[in-house]
Amino acid sequence: QVQLEESGPGLVKPSETLALTCTVSGGSITSYFWSWVRQPAGKGLEWIGRMYTSGTTDYNPSLKSRVTMSIDKSKNQLSLSLTSVTTADTAIYYCARDRGSVGFDPWGQGTLVTVSS
Amino acid sequence: QSVLTQPPSVSGAPGQRVTISCTGSRSNLGAGYDVHWYQLLPKTAPKLLIYGNSNRPSGVPDRFSGSRSGTSASLAITGLQAEDEADFYCQSYDSSLSGWVFGGGTRLTVL
Repeated sequence: QVQLEESGPGLVKPSETLALTCTVSGGSITSYFWSWVRQPAGKGLEWIGRMYTSGTTDYNPSLKSRVTMSIDKSKNQLSLSLTSVTTADTAIYYCARDRGSVGFDPWGQGTLVTVSS
Repeated sequence: QSVLTQPPSVSGAPGQRVTISCTGSRSNLGAGYDVHWYQLLPKTAPKLLIYGNSNRPSGVPDRFSGSRSGTSASLAITGLQAEDEADFYCQSYDSSLSGWVFGGGTRLTVL
């Protein structure tokens, strides 16, 4: 079965760039949308954006100016970059396979990113 | 403030039935977009509970059911069990934002 695992620095300084990777195992990364979602402590889920394996992207308008997603099909990996971070970007970041009308499934366990000097 | 509105908390005794509402607007549920539900437990991957308003993925007990009407949707859990205690989120697509939106989440407490 497909499994996802997020990885990246747990601590990022304000104004710097947050960079995360999601490794997909147990299945191919191709022919699917892949989404990133985050959850700040004590708050709800926020969709960051999604990418199709062709390179097509859709981003949350509230984050669009700072987000870039990419995909490395040879490594079965997705990447998320968020620039000019502030403490408001502190959150658990999840990647998930975006199956549209049948929901997000599966998800990774998430990785906590703290923005602090 | 979330685009989809959920009650912050619900509770019920073991064996009872609870429902969690999810209210949207004309640009999401009201536009006919489907709703999905997720269960979040600490330090575990979020789990898809209901997709396409009322469909259960393989492995999800039939104690969980979903429905949708107009700009609202609901998740019902019957025969509450202690292990059901978790946070639940609804999700839909929003045409105004051209992207996915989530509810604010509902914490279920099993008394």
